[in-house]
Amino acid sequence: QQQVKQSPQSLIVQKGGISIINCAYENTAFDYFPWYQQFPGKGPALLIAIRPDVSEKKEGRFTISFNKSAKQFSLHIMDSQPGDSATYFCAASKDDSWGKLQFGAGTQVVVTP
Amino acid sequence: DTGVSQNPRHKITKRGQNVTFRCDPISEHNRLYWYRQTLGQGPEFLTYFQNEAQLEKSRLLSDRFSAERPKGSFSTLEIQRTEQGDSAMYLCASSPPPDRGARKWAYEQYFGPGTRLTVT
Repeated sequence: QQQVKQSPQSLIVQKGGISIINCAYENTAFDYFPWYQQFPGKGPALLIAIRPDVSEKKEGRFTISFNKSAKQFSLHIMDSQPGDSATYFCAASKDDSWGKLQFGAGTQVVVTP
Repeated sequence: DTGVSQNPRHKITKRGQNVTFRCDPISEHNRLYWYRQTLGQGPEFLTYFQNEAQLEKSRLLSDRFSAERPKGSFSTLEIQRTEQGDSAMYLCASSPPPDRGARKWAYEQYFGPGTRLTVT
């Protein structure tokens, strides 16, 4: 039973375009929502994270939008660059679970020149 | 480099052999996690240590798997009698103790590069 559902599975975007990845969750006890970036053969790298007390968080070209009522959150990559080509994972955890992360299945992003 | 390190990076073994992986967390991170990642999937939680205490184990961690964190520093993950289904990337992550006064989230997990296990 996948607790965090991620879409799309893959996307192709032109350089300078916007990449949008969506995630949905069921467990309303989740209170921490990070995004990770992973390159082939490497471990996931923490990109940006949000708590449910805010609806949006921006760091550079990366923005998380959070909709608590819909139990959805999304990652927007503005001005996408070829170096952003990677697999992106959303995740969630809750306070009483030692912080263990429940990951989505991942989105492979390809940015074309 | 002060990040999480894992050794070996790659391991090829024959079915039925035992293997052991090592993880060195970021210094002063008292929380340590093991995850398993198969091709095309997100990481799945295996087990969690707070200092030297193993506080949670996933049902994915069968009796053939054992993890330790002596003295609350590095950790090892051992798989006995490996099976082809054990082939995966084994990831270690560490997290600092909570600092809620500074609003530093307790859950920021930093991953190592992983150990790729192939069971033939």
